[in-house]
Amino acid sequence: AQTVTQSQPEMSVQEAETVTLSCTYDTSESDYYLFWYKQPPSRQMILVIRQEAYKQQNATENRFSVNFQKAAKSFSLKISDSQLGDAAMYFCASYETSGSRLTFGEGTQLTVNP
Amino acid sequence: NAGVMQNPRHLVRRRGQEARLRCSPMKGHSHVYWYRQLPEEGLKFMVYLQKENIIDESGMPKERFSAEFPKEGPSILRIQQVVRGDSAAYFCASSPRLDSPLHFGNGTRLTVT
Repeated sequence: AQTVTQSQPEMSVQEAETVTLSCTYDTSESDYYLFWYKQPPSRQMILVIRQEAYKQQNATENRFSVNFQKAAKSFSLKISDSQLGDAAMYFCASYETSGSRLTFGEGTQLTVNP
Repeated sequence: NAGVMQNPRHLVRRRGQEARLRCSPMKGHSHVYWYRQLPEEGLKFMVYLQKENIIDESGMPKERFSAEFPKEGPSILRIQQVVRGDSAAYFCASSPRLDSPLHFGNGTRLTVT
């Protein structure tokens, strides 16, 4: 069974600064995907970034980038030039193509201070 | 193309009543997933369905919970004889195929009084 661990229940960052959210996962599969989702107070689940395990290049989406360390099973999210609108709960998730489910971590609550 | 539509947004039920949560996937999406989020926790997988078929229900409680995704109409998550512990946000997600990212609805917050 796949597991996802987020060891930081809460993080804070100053506006315009950079913050990194940690995530480790465990899977026995060779073909899988990793995701970061953002959940603001509205409760909507918003896909932030996606990484295919077979790709060595780290995914990037504007101010969001990941550091994917496959051997270490680590998948951290870096948010550059943090904005007040980035404040939310962030969930790391993994998806095995042989299975049928997305497995989420427990989340990291990010606060952005003005 | 409208997103995943869930209704109602909020649902209040008394203990012992039935709760029916609806999910209309995005157009062209035949894979539907239900997740439950307890307060202060992450989302937990409940069930995965394709049209008229339950593919994986390993996350569903054995009793009182059922799900369907009929040929016509929305997917329904049904909770019979609700208890206080069922209070949670229930999210539906859909995708066009297995290796596509899931698109989530805004969730239904169920409160059992």
